[in-house]
Amino acid sequence: NAGVTQTPKFQVLKTGQSMTLQCAQDMNHEYMSWYRQDPGMGLRLIHYSVGAGITDQGEVPNGYNVSRSTTEDFPLRLLSAAPSQTSVYFCATSTGSYTEAFFGQGTRLTVV
Amino acid sequence: AQSVTQPDIHITVSEGASLELRCNYSYGATPYLFWYVQSPGQGLQLLLKYFSGDTLVQGIKGFEAEFKRSQSSFNLRKPSVHWSDAAEYFCAMLPGGSYIPTFGRGTSLIVHP
Repeated sequence: NAGVTQTPKFQVLKTGQSMTLQCAQDMNHEYMSWYRQDPGMGLRLIHYSVGAGITDQGEVPNGYNVSRSTTEDFPLRLLSAAPSQTSVYFCATSTGSYTEAFFGQGTRLTVV
Repeated sequence: AQSVTQPDIHITVSEGASLELRCNYSYGATPYLFWYVQSPGQGLQLLLKYFSGDTLVQGIKGFEAEFKRSQSSFNLRKPSVHWSDAAEYFCAMLPGGSYIPTFGRGTSLIVHP
């Protein structure tokens, strides 16, 4: 009963490198989203998806790219990492409106 | 604009003392409301939720929250705090028909022995 699985748990990148944060869910939830958590800022929405093939931007999308080719997976790509992207990233899923979100354990990313 | 405010960045209580974490929302109608807890190094876990009906809702780990429409508030309470309750607590709201919640900035709970 995995729920929402994020990989990797920790990552250190050099400025300018690219990488993909993985998010996989086995709950058959339609809605998936990515947040970043920074001290004192709470959770800020990066991108979200309402189903396979459909994505949209959240509050802080710059520097990030997403795609949703299957219901299960929603990867987040950092195109050219910057120190400002040092953060903890969370993937969340839900069945739709009027329901709570389920979160992964997070990926702690440091860009040097 | 829709928003959730958690006025307290940090709260410090002694073990065994009662706890109240404040949450206020701004929205034109009654939203769906949630409290989540984040233990160190973990993701967010749902504590409780309010959709409609009884304004006092019970959650896991002995927590409860009361919805007050007149005050646009959804405060979280626990009668006796345990050291294991030390964590970050997030209040969130989901406007009707929406599927992306709006989160408050969180309140960090510190428990002294």
